[in-house]
Amino acid sequence: RKEVEQDPGPFNVPEGATVAFNCTYSNSASQSFFWYRQDCRKEPKLLMSVYSSGNEDGRFTAQLNRASQYISLLIRDSKLSDSATYLCVPLVGDKLIFGTGTRLQVFP
Amino acid sequence: DVKVTQSSRYLVKRTGEKVFLECVQDMDHENMFWYRQDPGLGLRLIYFSYDVKMKEKGDIPEGYSVSREKKERFSLILESASTNQTSMYLCASRSPREGYNSPLHFGNGTRLTVT
Repeated sequence: RKEVEQDPGPFNVPEGATVAFNCTYSNSASQSFFWYRQDCRKEPKLLMSVYSSGNEDGRFTAQLNRASQYISLLIRDSKLSDSATYLCVPLVGDKLIFGTGTRLQVFP
Repeated sequence: DVKVTQSSRYLVKRTGEKVFLECVQDMDHENMFWYRQDPGLGLRLIYFSYDVKMKEKGDIPEGYSVSREKKERFSLILESASTNQTSMYLCASRSPREGYNSPLHFGNGTRLTVT
């Protein structure tokens, strides 16, 4: 089983739509979690950390379910500029473990 | 703002050459990492370093070595480049002193082509 599993997509959504991504992780010792976004041929950039109680940053909401070992990201009111690959990243020890990402394409 | 700088954006080398990829960070981070990223495989950890002169193998260390003589610099070395090492190489740093929620900060990558 992969350490981090994500649906590769692509998710094709119209502007203004709400879209959700899920991610499952296998290591129950994961201490913290992040969502990164990566644009084509660019480096990953931190989108948000994921806190146990769930957290929101503008149009983005992250949720963590430790019992089921999954993390979600909800994007409301999608913009064209949200088109990217979204990477789910748990921290295990001192290492961040990357999934292969979910590709989002927002169309006009 | 954390700055992680990789010395080259694009690099073309020949098979058998020794290749050095350099990475420098300016935030006194203890941990530094080298990843490679290939289509469909995501980011895979090559080597990481907890601190100066310390290094640990990641998931795919074969064909690579690293050097961390100073805290701010982490070098990735391809002893004898091969075509299957053509990839995007990403350096990153992190400070565990900032707590569990301290993220990785990436350089902008080096796209290496081995011919």
